[in-house]
Amino acid sequence: ETAVFQTPNYHVTQVGNEVSFNCKQTLGHDTMYWYKQDSKKLLKIMFSYNNKQLIVNETVPRRFSPQSSDKAHLNLRIKSVEPEDSAVYLCASSSWGSSQNTLYFGAGTRLSVL
Amino acid sequence: GEKVEQHESTLSVREGDSAVINCTYTDTASSYFPWYKQEAGKSLHFVIDIRSNVDRKQSQRLIVLLDKKAKRFSLHITATQPEDSAIYFCAASIRSNYQLIWGSGTKLIIKP
Repeated sequence: ETAVFQTPNYHVTQVGNEVSFNCKQTLGHDTMYWYKQDSKKLLKIMFSYNNKQLIVNETVPRRFSPQSSDKAHLNLRIKSVEPEDSAVYLCASSSWGSSQNTLYFGAGTRLSVL
Repeated sequence: GEKVEQHESTLSVREGDSAVINCTYTDTASSYFPWYKQEAGKSLHFVIDIRSNVDRKQSQRLIVLLDKKAKRFSLHITATQPEDSAIYFCAASIRSNYQLIWGSGTKLIIKP
């Protein structure tokens, strides 16, 4: 049963454009994440938000910025895309304070930069 | 920094046989070790985990073993079925509500 919803599923754009990806979770979790999965399937944590506070911000390029309106939503904006940004972006959520911090992932947004 | 290494990038087993996927970690403080599965064209989902206070955990056909001395943990899938074909990711963290460090994934292929 899907509980982490991502839009769009796919996005094709050109170098230099701005893109935004949306993520919503209906699990009542207090923490949300953005991961990047490259063509080799490697996972890289980009951001995580806990109760609207950024708690992890890995060394990602400054053109990436997370945006959260409430604990159920975490969007990702890329200000000026580069070819190396082509990847699948996975949103996830979890309950930070629980004894088992299981991540629930969305279906992903596949970005292709031409 | 902490690393998690997943040794088999691809593993091929015959249907009905067992599959074993191995991971090692570097941080001796690691205490939580989950496994996630990603089927073709789909996203990741949790399958099983183990904590450092035990060395074995089983859930149906999945068994996780933890060797703290060797800093190694493994996922055993018994009586493999076609639907077990997927990429399996291991991860580790110093506690369950802390940032996960991920392995690089193992593609498991179940041959008929």
